Amino acid sequence: GDSVTQMEGPVTLSEEAFLTINCTYTATGYPSLFWYVQYPGEGLQLLLKATKADDKGSNKGFEATYRKETTSFHLEKGSVQVSDSAVYFCALSDPGSNYQLIWGAGTKLIIKP
Amino acid sequence: KAGVTQTPRYLIKTRGQQVTLSCSPISGHRSVSWYQQTPGQGLQFLFEYFSETQRNKGNFPGRFSGRQFSNSRSEMNVSTLELGDSALYLCASSLAYRNTEAFFGQGTRLTVV
Repeated sequence: GDSVTQMEGPVTLSEEAFLTINCTYTATGYPSLFWYVQYPGEGLQLLLKATKADDKGSNKGFEATYRKETTSFHLEKGSVQVSDSAVYFCALSDPGSNYQLIWGAGTKLIIKP
Repeated sequence: KAGVTQTPRYLIKTRGQQVTLSCSPISGHRSVSWYQQTPGQGLQFLFEYFSETQRNKGNFPGRFSGRQFSNSRSEMNVSTLELGDSALYLCASSLAYRNTEAFFGQGTRLTVV
């Protein structure tokens, strides 16, 4: 079945550092890919998405490119801020799984001033 | 435009009791999905409703049920509560069934004692 694998956290970085959170997937169909962010005590917010190969999703300085050849959707940001501290979830939605969202385990990001 | 509203935000129940959680989707959204989030299992899909009909169901026991009303509001019910049902329950709304972009509420934190 479909699955999403994220790098384990927590990831601890200093402010203004470069961020990469790895995400790879397996899917029976041709999925759409998402990154969601969860701040402490809150629900999930859609950060960015990509619906086809080579698409780049971007929002708030974060980017991720849909790489079909490596089945990856890594999240990057050039210069992180303390306010980026949160848990980041990679997810897919696949026609083969009736479009239900399949989630990675989440990666906790801690940014130190 | 109001977001997804979940009520109540927090609940404490005793083993064996039953509980009902409510979700009001974004105005105009007709699909509502429910997810359970726990530290051990992560995010797991419960079910999706569209046009008052359950369209998709995750791998949860029959104690977990839901419904959707004609105004798209949804409720989920858990009967005969177990300690393991303690979790954050998240509701997400989408414009339509199989729409790939989901917007989440802040969740209901259920604690079973």
